Amino acid sequence: DAGVIQSPRHEVTEMGQEVTLRCKPISGHNSLFWYRQTMMRGLELLIYFNNNVPIDDSGMPEDRFSAKMPNASFSTLKIQPSEPRDSAVYFCASSWGHNEQFFGPGTRLTVL
Amino acid sequence: AQSVTQPDIHITVSEGASLELRCNYSYGATPYLFWYVQSPGQGLQLLLKYFSGDTLVQGIKGFEAEFKRSQSSFNLRKPSVHWSDAAEYFCAVGGTGGYNKLIFGAGTRLAVHP
Repeated sequence: DAGVIQSPRHEVTEMGQEVTLRCKPISGHNSLFWYRQTMMRGLELLIYFNNNVPIDDSGMPEDRFSAKMPNASFSTLKIQPSEPRDSAVYFCASSWGHNEQFFGPGTRLTVL
Repeated sequence: AQSVTQPDIHITVSEGASLELRCNYSYGATPYLFWYVQSPGQGLQLLLKYFSGDTLVQGIKGFEAEFKRSQSSFNLRKPSVHWSDAAEYFCAVGGTGGYNKLIFGAGTRLAVHP
């Protein structure tokens, strides 16, 4: 199995631009999670989906952030408009049932 | 409220020395417990997990952890540390009901001196 796939691995953009991060979970997994990691705040859960349905988005910072999961093999996290404080590493993870979460390699986002 | 505490932000050990990373959790029911490791520039990798049964669990890379319900702890140990173990270690707790949402600790950064 290829594991969780995220793209792009690095993204540099200017303030105000739209950013879209992509994730392909492990085939057969029914839960998908988006995390953000910064030095100041550590690892934060932004949103998670179960069977493609958003279950808990209480970690989404504000309306500039949105996430979708149109099917079991694809999810996006969009930031519009982006701000410098959004600079972080964004991780996607997937799991099946109550088993462990498998993390992708992350997308390092820099907003100038 | 559910929470995970890793009291040590940074730990430095010499190569070959033993290691113990502490983890305490607060959870109202029987927890699922995990230890993850993150090397620089990488995602999180599962070291080991505890769901039930034997309270001493073995993981990858020679790590083990012991679940102590009376102390609400799940400490990670390794008898002899290698330089390649330098990384950040995260303890996490999940529940037996509902969806597989994990609560992560703040992490412990391990440095290994030669």
